[in-house]
Amino acid sequence: AIQMTQSPSSLSASVGDRVTITCRASQGIRNDLGWYQQKPGKAPKLLIYGASSLLSGVPSRFSGSGSGTDFTLTISSLQPEDVATYYCLQDYDHPLTFGGGTKVGIK
Amino acid sequence: EVQLVESGGGLVQPGGSLRLSCAASGFVFSRYWMSWVRQAPGKGLEWVANIKEDGSETYSVDSVEGRFTISRDNAKNSLYVQMNSLRADDTAVYYCARDAGYWSGGAFYSMYDFWGQGTLVTVSS
Repeated sequence: AIQMTQSPSSLSASVGDRVTITCRASQGIRNDLGWYQQKPGKAPKLLIYGASSLLSGVPSRFSGSGSGTDFTLTISSLQPEDVATYYCLQDYDHPLTFGGGTKVGIK
Repeated sequence: EVQLVESGGGLVQPGGSLRLSCAASGFVFSRYWMSWVRQAPGKGLEWVANIKEDGSETYSVDSVEGRFTISRDNAKNSLYVQMNSLRADDTAVYYCARDAGYWSGGAFYSMYDFWGQGTLVTVSS
């Protein structure tokens, strides 16, 4: 199975800061990658698909980039409502696999 | 409005069985791949299994292979997972998710755009 290594596992930043989360695949996965946001006690929500396509309705401060093995989720200006855990998911091959998650908090 | 509502979770002894259901509404169920994703208490997300629109293809993670069976009934707009030989490490919230995937350049891109609220399965004696 393809392993997805996500980093950091947690971070704390100030409101308005730029935040970057990375995901590395154990083999090339083209751009078959999505980013999901999960708040405590809630189901995950899709933010980004195809590595860089923003789902309609998702704030434009979220962006994704990358291809092959290295991917990035960027929050350009962190907001209080962005406190959550973020996961990448590769859909290049079965079984699909999630990264370990990045917990984002506010300083 | 798209809705996915899971049911069937509960407490089961190790080695036991459970069948989860996911009732879908607000979209044409038969046009979408569907998946199960789980999350152990305090842990990350784990993809479990998926099934093609017509049920002709299914895939699952190695850890449930031979124990879990995903299925669907398009006439009832419902997704299922039959879980047998349950173990303590199957304890988790189980989510069903719709895959609004699409084809582009010869490749299929998955995107889980709607999720249910989850149902808790606890495997314990």
